[in-house]
Amino acid sequence: DTAVSQTPKYLVTQMGNDKSIKCEQNLGHDTMYWYKQDSKKFLKIMFSYNNKELIINETVPNRFSPKSPDKAHLNLHINSLELGDSAVYFCASSGGDRHSNQPQHFGDGTRLSIL
Amino acid sequence: SQQGEEDPQALSIQEGENATMNCSYKTSINNLQWYRQNSGRGLVHLILIRSNEREKHSGRLRVTLDTSKKSSSLLITASRAADTASYFCASMLYQKVTFGTGTKLQVIP
Repeated sequence: DTAVSQTPKYLVTQMGNDKSIKCEQNLGHDTMYWYKQDSKKFLKIMFSYNNKELIINETVPNRFSPKSPDKAHLNLHINSLELGDSAVYFCASSGGDRHSNQPQHFGDGTRLSIL
Repeated sequence: SQQGEEDPQALSIQEGENATMNCSYKTSINNLQWYRQNSGRGLVHLILIRSNEREKHSGRLRVTLDTSKKSSSLLITASRAADTASYFCASMLYQKVTFGTGTKLQVIP
């Protein structure tokens, strides 16, 4: 069973479109994250949710909006896609409360390409 | 930039040799973690060292932490071709995590 699963795995779309990436974890974790990995492999945290509550919101354009319908799901919606949004987006989850730093479990990523 | 730094950026060794990667970070931490990323895959957690620990071992992995220098190192002993991957350190302060720039390790059979 996949612990953290993201869909789709690949996403190719035109500039200006709106798209969503879904993430689900079956580990029973309370905290979920979205990361962006650019072409140089730099990995930056975008958002973190603990038990459906937003706890980290890095400097990310407000075109990016995370949504957590329940603690097992954290989806990422992106409006008005731009060329610079091309990257690999990773979802991750971890156990413990908002003050602990447990190991994170990553999905396999969504490769977003903007034409 | 809050990005941690790792060196070397790339490392190529023969199977059986040891590989050492270094990581520097910029803020206080609760713990520091190391992850491996195979090409086209997500990151996999390797080892966690708490801020009050100086050294930790797990199988062929040895991690050291020097909080006074804000640095950590990962040693992989007796490397195998399957160890070929990118390795990232991640400094953790509560839920805030900052990843290093990564070291790309190639182990030649």
